[in-house]
Amino acid sequence: KQEVTQIPAALSVPEGENLVLNCSFTDSAIYNLQWFRQDPGKGLTSLLLIQSSQREQTSGRLNASLDKSSGRSTLYIAASQPGDSATYLCAPTDNYGQNFVFGPGTRLSVLP
Amino acid sequence: DAGVIQSPRHEVTEMGQEVTLRCKPISGHDYLFWYRQTMMRGLELLIYFNNNVPIDDSGMPEDRFSAKMPNASFSTLKIQPSEPRDSAVYFCASSLGGGGQGEKLFFGSGTQLSVL
Repeated sequence: KQEVTQIPAALSVPEGENLVLNCSFTDSAIYNLQWFRQDPGKGLTSLLLIQSSQREQTSGRLNASLDKSSGRSTLYIAASQPGDSATYLCAPTDNYGQNFVFGPGTRLSVLP
Repeated sequence: DAGVIQSPRHEVTEMGQEVTLRCKPISGHDYLFWYRQTMMRGLELLIYFNNNVPIDDSGMPEDRFSAKMPNASFSTLKIQPSEPRDSAVYFCASSLGGGGQGEKLFFGSGTQLSVL
């Protein structure tokens, strides 16, 4: 059974810092991995999807990398802003591509 | 498109009552998912459909839970009878499918269920 952990559980940083959020998963037989953002009281928003054949994906200030063999993914946030404050969750899928298993999330606070 | 639409946003009910949660996926999306989120267990997949057919319901906790998708634009999750431990936020999500970026999940705003 796939198990996903995220480190750190919470992070508080001043505005402008570059951040790295970590995600580890136990079963490397994944189809793809998504990073999501969740604001309090809201649903999840997909930020980046990395296919198993890819090493990384970029969107604006966000860059996600995937090392499938070691069961790790990182989300890099450049020049953090207060609007980035949210919980970030990673979710690898099984080999069929549809069963996403979510990590517990990293709660990020970016202070102005 | 208005995104994934869930109703109601909040539901408060008494133990033993039937609860029905509703979801309208994004038009053209072939996959629909029901998730439950709690502080203790995080986000868990309950069931998902492909082209209105249930594919994996192994996450449905008990026979008290049932889900249907009568057509491509509507799904329901029913709990009968409801229990206090069912209190959670229930999310519906949909995806286009077809591999690649088509696997991106789009979530609704969720239904906050409180069973007293």
